[in-house]
Amino acid sequence: AQRVTQPEKLLSVFKGAPVELKCNYSYSGSPELFWYVQYSRQRLQLLLRHISRESIKGFTADLNKGETSFHLKKPFAQEEDSAMYYCALRGSNYQLIWGAGTKLIIKP
Amino acid sequence: DAGVTQSPTHLIKTRGQHVTLRCSPISGHKSVSWYQQVLGQGPQFIFQYYEKEERGRGNFPDRFSARQFPNYSSELNVNALLLGDSALYLCASSLGQLRTDTQYFGPGTRLTVL
Repeated sequence: AQRVTQPEKLLSVFKGAPVELKCNYSYSGSPELFWYVQYSRQRLQLLLRHISRESIKGFTADLNKGETSFHLKKPFAQEEDSAMYYCALRGSNYQLIWGAGTKLIIKP
Repeated sequence: DAGVTQSPTHLIKTRGQHVTLRCSPISGHKSVSWYQQVLGQGPQFIFQYYEKEERGRGNFPDRFSARQFPNYSSELNVNALLLGDSALYLCASSLGQLRTDTQYFGPGTRLTVL
């Protein structure tokens, strides 16, 4: 089965604290994973993808095939990071399979 | 470029009615995908069209159908609406069908079925 699990519906951290948004996946084969972000009143937008191995807005995510995880991390949270974050997996038919999302709140 | 556009923004229908949602992709993009997002959940894949042909279909009943036009715009049709069809319907476009293609999302159409 192809599935993405984001165990936390809500994550609240203080500004300047580290952030880790969890994502676990189920997929047979080589997965292609993404993190999308949706800021308040804006559309979904791609944050990063594992094949690019890039850091966007200070966020990084490492694919761990052994643990089937793709956690999103940032060492020092900023207030503008408050948003809804979705982890997604490219399925065998090219479609995206999504987690339920984690709402990140950065407290001042 | 305004990005992916969708119309209408909001729509209210009653059970049993039919609805048509529209999507215009980014200029140059040939692939359009449709997703349903129920409140509190992530998007669920409905269809993908590429070069006017259906290339993928999610686990949705036959009441859901779509098509893509020669200008690559797309319509999603839902017949015999049920209360459970109330959701945000998202359209995403991408250049082609390569696994490396990024999907760009529209703002969505909020459908309420009463």
